[in-house]
Amino acid sequence: EVQLVESGGTLVQPGGSLRVSCAASGFIFSNWEMNWVRQAPGKGLEWLSYISTAGTTIYYAESVEGRFTISRDNARNSLYLQMNSLRAEDTAVYYCVRDWTFDYWGQGTVVTVSS
Amino acid sequence: QSALTQPASVSGSPGQSITISCTGSSRDVGNYNLVSWYQQHPGKAPQLIIYEVTKRPSGVSNRFSGSKSGNTASLTISGLQPEDDADYYCCSYVGRTTSSVLFGGGTKLTVL
Repeated sequence: EVQLVESGGTLVQPGGSLRVSCAASGFIFSNWEMNWVRQAPGKGLEWLSYISTAGTTIYYAESVEGRFTISRDNARNSLYLQMNSLRAEDTAVYYCVRDWTFDYWGQGTVVTVSS
Repeated sequence: QSALTQPASVSGSPGQSITISCTGSSRDVGNYNLVSWYQQHPGKAPQLIIYEVTKRPSGVSNRFSGSKSGNTASLTISGLQPEDDADYYCCSYVGRTTSSVLFGGGTKLTVL
């Protein structure tokens, strides 16, 4: 069974940094492209970033480019999102999502940016 | 880039059919057969129900179907059931570049 389990979400002050993680299981992680998608409270879905299987190709949404960094560790079956210069508008549930079809989603981890 | 345009809400009675539209542009919906749809119940993660415009993942009911004409994609749900009451989001691939993926704003389906 495919499982994606996010962790690391917490309350952080504006301007702060945070790294969220995603542990993958039930499939060969190194064979699959991965993404991060977020959902602000009461709002819709927003794609944030993509990483290729080997981590050599990466894309970002304009809203986070230059502040967020996606990475992966295929030996640890893990996906990461390093978030810097956090703003109140980054408050959201952050989902780890498999493939360009977004076929499997984690349960999400909550990031709250507030003083 | 702007989000894809979906109606904010639609409704239908059990057994009826409804269609949700998703309007983009010639750079996204109109340029790629890579439109997908997701169902989200409150407090839950989204679930893929349609990909590549018309394909259904294994386990998804054949009451869900997708189509596309020009810059507008559509999701049709036939034989509405109470459990279909949820939010629905469309999504289009835009290209291997910055802002590679666009989501619609979401449509709340109410089963009356």
